Amino acid sequence: KAGVTQTPRYLIKTRGQQVTLSCSPISGHRSVSWYQQTPGQGLQFLFEYFSETQRNKGNFPGRFSGRQFSNSRSEMNVSTLELGDSALYLCASSLMTGKDEQFFGPGTRLTVL
Amino acid sequence: QQQVKQSPQSLIVQKGGISIINCAYENTAFDYFPWYQQFPGKGPALLIAIRPDVSEKKEGRFTISFNKSAKQFSLHIMDSQPGDSATYFCAASSVRGDMRFGAGTRLTVKP
Repeated sequence: KAGVTQTPRYLIKTRGQQVTLSCSPISGHRSVSWYQQTPGQGLQFLFEYFSETQRNKGNFPGRFSGRQFSNSRSEMNVSTLELGDSALYLCASSLMTGKDEQFFGPGTRLTVL
Repeated sequence: QQQVKQSPQSLIVQKGGISIINCAYENTAFDYFPWYQQFPGKGPALLIAIRPDVSEKKEGRFTISFNKSAKQFSLHIMDSQPGDSATYFCAASSVRGDMRFGAGTRLTVKP
């Protein structure tokens, strides 16, 4: 079974731009969660999607948004990028809910200049 | 706000020794407590998890001890090996599924 895939793996943007990251969950998994990982703040929960609906949201500004498609693939978007948005963005898929065993992808390394 | 506090921040253990990482949580609604292992350049991978109806769970060299009244849980790695050198995260989630992670412990096992 293929694991969670994330594209792109690396991304460099400048302040004020927007970015879209993509996540393909493990086949059959319906829940996708997104996390931001930084050296200073660690792993922080962004949001969780299940059956195309956002089920949970962490404490991030509205510039961070996401969506899930009918095939469970998910995208997250960050608008008006700030330097502090530089981070590793991780996607995790699970069978039904974010509480089930989560399988993480390799992440997308975003650098904002 | 940090809902899961993890210590120590870093840990150095000799090969064959026991590595112990501790976590404490605040939210009594948490009912699922996984531990993740992360190697550089990789995403976290689930190591072992426990639910509050048991006080201990063992899988191979890895054991979780759980103290519900104290709202604490810990990971013990027996017979630590250099290949165990990684960053370990404890986490907790509630029925809502919003996983909260500890700050991580960088473990180094010296040969």
